[in-house]
Amino acid sequence: QVQLQESGPGLVKPSETLSLTCTVSGGSVSSGSYYWSWIRQPPGKGLEWIGYIYYSGSTNYNPSLKSRVTISVDTSKNQFSLKLSSVTAADTAVYYCARDMTTVTNWVWAFDIWGQGTMVTVSS
Amino acid sequence: QSALTQPPSASGSPGQSVTISCTGTSSDVGGYNYVSWYQQHPGKAPKLMIYEVSKRPSGVPDRFSGSKSGNTASLTVSGLQAEDEADYYCSSYAGSNEVFGTGTKVTVL
Repeated sequence: QVQLQESGPGLVKPSETLSLTCTVSGGSVSSGSYYWSWIRQPPGKGLEWIGYIYYSGSTNYNPSLKSRVTISVDTSKNQFSLKLSSVTAADTAVYYCARDMTTVTNWVWAFDIWGQGTMVTVSS
Repeated sequence: QSALTQPPSASGSPGQSVTISCTGTSSDVGGYNYVSWYQQHPGKAPKLMIYEVSKRPSGVPDRFSGSKSGNTASLTVSGLQAEDEADYYCSSYAGSNEVFGTGTKVTVL
């Protein structure tokens, strides 16, 4: 079955750019026409949706993060990625990638498959 | 967009039922039937328990049920079991965005 795995640096300096990649296995990022999302969870706090990408490259971002977020997809590597610029300590969190069950023809808006998450700490 | 409002905690004894509320606005919960619920055990990724207000993914026990009235959605866990002790989050489509709830810690007494 489809599995997701996040990867990237666990420590990022303030003002720099956080970069993470989600590798999709057991399926294709471009099959099924699903939406692929990034979600984060600060330590001891709740979940926050960051944004999603469709395999065609169309994206949508959380308005509160929109100015700093870029999500991209590489269908040849079966991966999608997150870049978050100008990070501060408030961006310290576990970052999850997830598959949204929504397709172009069938709206569901629910995350059925999640990666295990990767902790990113922003500190000098 | 503001987070959906959930009670911080809820509890019940084994075999009892517990209901968690998730309050939003007409721009999210009240405006669409795209409310989902997630269970998260400590140190683990969230797990989808309910989608489209009341539908259960394959493998989720029918002890878990969802409903919605106006701007408030609810998750009910019937016949509480020890393994149901976890954090629960609601989520709603909010017009091209998705928003999560504040989270509820369910304790099995």
